[in-house]
Amino acid sequence: NAGVMQNPRHLVRRRGQEARLRCSPMKGHSHVYWYRQLPEEGLKFMVYLQKENIIDESGMPKERFSAEFPKEGPSILRIQQVVRGDSAAYFCASSTSGTGNTEAFFGQGTRLTVV
Amino acid sequence: KQEVTQIPAALSVPEGENLVLNCSFTDSAIYNLQWFRQDPGKGLTSLLLIQSSQREQTSGRLNASLDKSSGRSTLYIAASQPGDSATYLCAVSFGNEKLTFGTGTRLTIIP
Repeated sequence: NAGVMQNPRHLVRRRGQEARLRCSPMKGHSHVYWYRQLPEEGLKFMVYLQKENIIDESGMPKERFSAEFPKEGPSILRIQQVVRGDSAAYFCASSTSGTGNTEAFFGQGTRLTVV
Repeated sequence: KQEVTQIPAALSVPEGENLVLNCSFTDSAIYNLQWFRQDPGKGLTSLLLIQSSQREQTSGRLNASLDKSSGRSTLYIAASQPGDSATYLCAVSFGNEKLTFGTGTRLTIIP
């Protein structure tokens, strides 16, 4: 089992460009979570998805951010028109049946730098 | 508001000593609590998961305890080694399918 795979590991974007972050959950995991870690801050929940459904997006900024987890392929976190304040590490986690019951496994993260 | 706090923010300990990391949470109605390790510039490695019905979990030199009534968890590391140097994060599931993280304790083991 390869674990949770995120790519790219590092991403540099100019202000106003789009950033696409990918996450492939562990084999057999159908629950995916995205978290953001700002410099010198803790991890903050953004969104929780199951296949083809957004279950909880209460931590997602209302504008410019979107997430999907299609029937086939990885989960995608998309940030449109990036700004300097979006620079952070974005982590994806997966679990078998929801982190209310089971262990969450995290990927290595994507470090986004907006210049 | 459901919050998780970790104090101290940083801790330095000589190699070989036993140590305890602390985590406190504001709501005793938790589903589970998970301890993670994060190395600089890396992802999170799961160390131990304690379900709300459990009092402790052990893995090798690590032992995590949970006291829901007082809103506290501790991570005990025995016979510390330089390789244990990392940031240790406590995360709580308050039953809403997302983890609420503390800001971590940055541990340095001095050879």
